[in-house]
Amino acid sequence: DGGITQSPKYLFRKEGQNVTLSCEQNLNHDAMYWYRQDPGQGLRLIYYSQIVNDFQKGDIAEGYSVSREKKESFPLTVTSAQKNPTAFYLCASSIGGRAYEQYFGPGTRLTVT
Amino acid sequence: KNEVEQSPQNLTAQEGEFITINCSYSVGISALHWLQQHPGGGIVSLFMLSSGKKKHGRLIATINIQEKHSSLHITASHPRDSAVYICAVKGGGSNYKLTFGKGTLLTVNP
Repeated sequence: DGGITQSPKYLFRKEGQNVTLSCEQNLNHDAMYWYRQDPGQGLRLIYYSQIVNDFQKGDIAEGYSVSREKKESFPLTVTSAQKNPTAFYLCASSIGGRAYEQYFGPGTRLTVT
Repeated sequence: KNEVEQSPQNLTAQEGEFITINCSYSVGISALHWLQQHPGGGIVSLFMLSSGKKKHGRLIATINIQEKHSSLHITASHPRDSAVYICAVKGGGSNYKLTFGKGTLLTVNP
């Protein structure tokens, strides 16, 4: 079955630690995205990548970093510079970028204390 | 001001009722998406449309480009339809970004 996997579903970290969230897709999609969801707010774009070895900042990239070394993988690192890291993080992918349907992973809920 | 506004924010219905969720946007778009998010958090894409109307089972989505408005209808609603429904729009040109509404929480009681 094709799809997007994110692991783990729940992640707990101490303040000051970097943490990496995994996102893998086997849909052969070129574009991948990371979103953050907070209560009462719409999803906000953190980073996106249109092709391997290329990525662009979204609206709220500060305190986050990504890599796109393989087409299937787009890991997100939440660094200690991110002031409010506790949130629900969603990864998505699409065939291309323009007006293509995005497929979402199950999400990772990160809690930093 | 959010460029995508959904109404209502919360909606409670009885099983079997016809449901309408509205989405208004303020900019030109190339596509509009309707998404469903269940309590576990995962999001499923329901529709992507740029004009007219689409139907899938009991779900119908319409869009009026001139009025910058879309509606999602659910016929014969069922408790399993309880979820958050999210509208998202994609700008024109080479803009890859989706702008999301805050979602509508639908609860269908048996």
